[in-house]
Amino acid sequence: DSGVTQTPKHLITATGQRVTLRCSPRSGDLSVYWYQQSLDQGLQFLIQYYNGEERAKGNILERFSAQQFPDLHSELNLSSLELGDSALYFCASSVVGSQDTQYFGPGTRLTVL
Amino acid sequence: AQSVTQPDIHITVSEGASLELRCNYSYGATPYLFWYVQSPGQGLQLLLKYFSGDTLVQGIKGFEAEFKRSQSSFNLRKPSVHWSDAAEYFCAVGGSEYGNKLVFGAGTILRVKS
Repeated sequence: DSGVTQTPKHLITATGQRVTLRCSPRSGDLSVYWYQQSLDQGLQFLIQYYNGEERAKGNILERFSAQQFPDLHSELNLSSLELGDSALYFCASSVVGSQDTQYFGPGTRLTVL
Repeated sequence: AQSVTQPDIHITVSEGASLELRCNYSYGATPYLFWYVQSPGQGLQLLLKYFSGDTLVQGIKGFEAEFKRSQSSFNLRKPSVHWSDAAEYFCAVGGSEYGNKLVFGAGTILRVKS
């Protein structure tokens, strides 16, 4: 158990819908990262937040957004869902940033029908 | 662009045999290197990491990895594989020059035959 929690574990929805994935980092960690794992793209970095502020952005679609709240939990919002958004979405957390190890949550499996 | 290459998509080894999973990276300076393991339906578990210092690092579950700057490699090894080691293994590179993100290889699926 890494100490990073993600909810829900599974999510099934339809095209065009909007969903929210939630992540709680390890106690004491200030950075939260979101990654997408799909069969065709592998593991791809989406976005990082540090202490409530956006720190780095990767291959995140404009239909996707994220935020980190004062209690440091983070949410990833996916809207106008397409079949291709079906993937495993991971959250990771670390203490500060570049020199710290990222610990991953169990992931949320999103299926878009 | 930064990249991580895991040349073997699948590897099958016999239980008790030794294992080496290959990882090569392209990077300008000394990166931070990681190996993660993912069991079916599970998240990513950190096996070991290299930041600096001794180029041979020990990890959990009896795994070790060696950083070789001249070959831009960070291969994962285990002297004797157990059936429970069957999983997918990911090499990743990170660091400030990567903007704090991790760049992952495509993964190597390890099968263990009894």
